Amino acid sequence: AQRVTQPEKLLSVFKGAPVELKCNYSYSGSPELFWYVQYSRQRLQLLLRHISRESIKGFTADLNKGETSFHLKKPFAQEEDSAMYYCALSERGTGGFKTIFGAGTRLFVKA
Amino acid sequence: NAGVTQTPKFQVLKTGQSMTLQCAQDMNHEYMSWYRQDPGMGLRLIHYSVGAGITDQGEVPNGYNVSRSTTEDFPLRLLSAAPSQTSVYFCASSLSDDQPQHFGDGTRLSIL
Repeated sequence: AQRVTQPEKLLSVFKGAPVELKCNYSYSGSPELFWYVQYSRQRLQLLLRHISRESIKGFTADLNKGETSFHLKKPFAQEEDSAMYYCALSERGTGGFKTIFGAGTRLFVKA
Repeated sequence: NAGVTQTPKFQVLKTGQSMTLQCAQDMNHEYMSWYRQDPGMGLRLIHYSVGAGITDQGEVPNGYNVSRSTTEDFPLRLLSAAPSQTSVYFCASSLSDDQPQHFGDGTRLSIL
């Protein structure tokens, strides 16, 4: 069963428009959730994690345990936000915690 | 400070060949992991390790072996390459198993 679901493979918005990248998870314990981003020709890197409750590059993500969601939001998208975004869940395995990724959403911000 | 280093960057193999993808980190991270990235499927965890001498299977471990004899290195071995293993492979490390991960540049592997 898929434990991290990102329903949109591609999201296209105009510059200045709000953007929301959806992420739903399935986990019985207290989830440790992350958003990672991969810009063109760069390494996959952490964008933010839910326990930090911080805003990075204008992005925020709120954990909603009732809806088991961790959507990534930005009020005004910029062209440099165009990238591949992955939602990830750290869950306990037999050998310790392991991080499971969603399928990813490609964000394209048009001028 | 190199971070996570993967070698080689590109490799082409014939079906049935074996090879080892290398991964090294210089951050004294306990946790290391291997993922494969395929179109439409995101990153899928192959194997992971919470410390030297400890490894465990991820989501798609079949056809791959790992070992962790040192904190720094976490090689991934393909025992008998198959076309289904054509993918981009990423190694990652973190301070501990619930901390954010640092990724390498990836190895693009093609199996003919």
